[in-house]
Amino acid sequence: RKEVEQDPGPFNVPEGATVAFNCTYSNSASQSFFWYRQDCRKEPKLLMSVYSSGNEDGRFTAQLNRASQYISLLIRDSKLSDSATYLCVVNDDYKLSFGAGTTVTVRA
Amino acid sequence: EAQVTQNPRYLITVTGKKLTVTCSQNMNHEYMSWYRQDPGLGLRQIYYSMNVEVTDKGDVPEGYKVSRKEKRNFPLILESPSPNQTSLYFCASSLRLGLGYEQYFGPGTRLTVT
Repeated sequence: RKEVEQDPGPFNVPEGATVAFNCTYSNSASQSFFWYRQDCRKEPKLLMSVYSSGNEDGRFTAQLNRASQYISLLIRDSKLSDSATYLCVVNDDYKLSFGAGTTVTVRA
Repeated sequence: EAQVTQNPRYLITVTGKKLTVTCSQNMNHEYMSWYRQDPGLGLRQIYYSMNVEVTDKGDVPEGYKVSRKEKRNFPLILESPSPNQTSLYFCASSLRLGLGYEQYFGPGTRLTVT
């Protein structure tokens, strides 16, 4: 079983729509969680850290569910510029594990 | 400008010819790491370093070597490259590891081994 699993998508949504997707992780002792964004095989960039209480950054909301071992990302009012691959990242001790990514395509 | 640089950006080489991919960061970060990215598999960690002279294996270390003699540099060495090491490689650094600490990635090195 992979340490971090994501639905690869693609999620094709119209501008203005809400899109949400999850990421599951296998190690219950995982300590910290992140969402990164990657555009077309360029370098990943941090979108947001995921805090235990959940957190919001503009149109983006991240949630952590430790009991069920998943994190989620919700994008409200999607923009064309949100089209990207979203990578779920889990930190165990000194190691980072990446999901394979969820691709989101926002269409006009 | 705060950044992570990698060189070369593109490399085509032949099986068995030793090569080094350099990585340098100018942010005085303690933690540095190398990843490879392959379609459908996501980023997989090759090696990481918590600080100078401290390195450890990630998930896929076979066929790779690293060193951390200075804080800013973390080269990746392929002593005898093979075609299954054809991949997109990223170097990354962060002040340390944990919530609130962002990993900064280099632009990537696209390696082809024939």
